[in-house]
Amino acid sequence: DSGVTQTPKHLITATGQRVTLRCSPRSGDLSVYWYQQSLDQGLQFLIQYYNGEERAKGNILERFSAQQFPDLHSELNLSSLELGDSALYFCASSAGTTQETQYFGPGTRLLVL
Amino acid sequence: AQSVAQPEDQVNVAEGNPLTVKCTYSVSGNPYLFWYVQYPNRGLQFLLKYITGDNLVKGSYGFEAEFNKSQTSFHLKKPSALVSDSALYFCAVRSPGGTASKLTFGTGTRLQVTL
Repeated sequence: DSGVTQTPKHLITATGQRVTLRCSPRSGDLSVYWYQQSLDQGLQFLIQYYNGEERAKGNILERFSAQQFPDLHSELNLSSLELGDSALYFCASSAGTTQETQYFGPGTRLLVL
Repeated sequence: AQSVAQPEDQVNVAEGNPLTVKCTYSVSGNPYLFWYVQYPNRGLQFLLKYITGDNLVKGSYGFEAEFNKSQTSFHLKKPSALVSDSALYFCAVRSPGGTASKLTFGTGTRLQVTL
């Protein structure tokens, strides 16, 4: 168990809908990262937050947004969902320095029908 | 831009034999290199990392990796494979600097260990 928790584990929704994925980092970790894993794109970095502020952005669609709250948990919001958004979404956390290991949560499996 | 290549989609090895999973990288400056393992329907588990120092890094479950700067490689190794090592292995790289530290992953290598 990495100490990173993600809810829900599974999510089934329809095209055009909006969903929110939640992540709680390990105790004491200030950085939260979101990654998407799909068969065609592999593991891709979406966005990073550090102590409440956006720190880095990757291949995140405009329909997607995230935030990190004062208690350091993070939410990833996916809107106007398309079939191609079906994927595993991972959250990871680290203490915040560049040498720190990122520890991954179990992921949320999103299926868009 | 940083990148990672895992040239083998799948590696097959018999239990008890040594295994190697290959990884090469491209990054500006000194790399931070990581190996993760993913079991079916599970998240990524950290195995080991290279930041600086000794080129041979030891990690969890008997795995080790050798950093080779001249060949820009970071191959994962284990002296004696177990059937339970069968999983998907990812190499990742991160360039140093600041607190923006995304990981760039390879495409993954499926390790199949058979009796």
